[in-house]
Order: sequence, then structure tokens, then C-alpha cells
Amino acid sequence: DAGVIQSPRHEVTEMGQEVTLRCKPISGHDYLFWYRQTMMRGLELLIYFNNNVPIDDSGMPEDRFSAKMPNASFSTLKIQPSEPRDSAVYFCASSFRATNEKLFFGSGTQLSVL
Amino acid sequence: GESVGLHLPTLSVQEGDNSIINCAYSNSASDYFIWYKQESGKGPQFIIDIRSNMDKRQGQRVTVLLNKTVKHLSLQIAATQPGDSAVYFCAEKLSGTYKYIFGTGTRLKVLA
Repeated sequence: DAGVIQSPRHEVTEMGQEVTLRCKPISGHDYLFWYRQTMMRGLELLIYFNNNVPIDDSGMPEDRFSAKMPNASFSTLKIQPSEPRDSAVYFCASSFRATNEKLFFGSGTQLSVL
Repeated sequence: GESVGLHLPTLSVQEGDNSIINCAYSNSASDYFIWYKQESGKGPQFIIDIRSNMDKRQGQRVTVLLNKTVKHLSLQIAATQPGDSAVYFCAEKLSGTYKYIFGTGTRLKVLA
């Protein structure tokens, strides 16, 4: 298996622009998580899905952030409009609860908002 | 002004020695714990896990100890190698949810 795949690997954008981050979880996994990592706050859970349904979005910082999971093999995290304080590494992770509860992480998207 | 970031504690260990990385978790109702290793530019990588009904679990060169009384988790790495240099995070899963909370991390430096 290729693991959790995230794209793009790096994103540089200007303040006010829309940013879309993408994630393909491991095939067969039923949970998907979006995390944000910064030096200030460490790894923060933004939102997680179970069987494509958002379960807990209490970590989503503002209405500017939205996440969707239209099917079991794809999720997006969108920021509109982006701000410099959104600059961070965004990780997607997935797991399959029936066999174990380990989270498998992607390589992350390094987002820089200028 | 100058931004204040997380100050990652750093553990420096001589190659071949054993390392012990500690973590204090926050929720006494957490029922599952994981240690992750993160190398520069990569995502966190699973090392070992333990459930709350256990107090010790061993893997290859790694051991996790859980002390629920004081809400403390530790990761022991035997015969530390240069490839072990990374940031290590503990994560707790809140009981009744599938929500994982990560600690702030410890940087491990292995000295040759």
C-alpha cells in the first residue's frame, strides 16, 4: 500500500487566496483525520471523519476552514480566505478501527501564506 | 515582535546508551496511547502503542510504560542509534471518542 497520500507537498499563496489541500487515505481505512502542526501550538486536531461523515470539527479554527470527504478515498481541507497565520504543516491521517487504532500519517502539506 | 514558540525539551544521548523519553498526559479517562517518531520534513511515524489496561509493552528495542496513577507515559529505547534522532510525541485517545491529543514532543539527539 502507498500509505496516506497528500498533495500538494508545498503550497505558497498570497493572503486572501483560497487554498485546497488534498488527502487520499489508506484503502479500507474508515477514519480520516486532519491535523495542523506549528511551532507555537504543536500538533492540533482540526477535524475527523468516520465513514465519510464528520464526527468532530471542534478543532477547526474559524469559518474560513472547511473540510469535506465526498467518498472513502478522498478528502479536502479548504481555507478561504487564507491568512498568514494559517501558515503551518497540515497532516492527514487515517486508521481502520476494526483491527487497530493506530493513526497512519501522510507526509504533510507545508503551507506558506504571504 | 518576537514570536514565542514551543520550547521542545531535548534529550542528548550517547550512541549505544539507552534513552528514556517521558510524557505527562492530560485526561485520566484516556484509554489508548501511542508513541510517534517524527523526522525532519516527514509525518509522524508509529512506534508503539499501549492500552490503559496494561502498564508495560515491549517492541523491538522499544518499551512503553504507563503509570495511570500519575498520568505518565514513558518510552524507552535500548541501544540508541543515530537513526533514532528525531522528535518523539506521545498521543492519548480520549475514551468514548476517536479523538487523539498529542503532547508537545521531545527532541532526541544521538551523539556519536
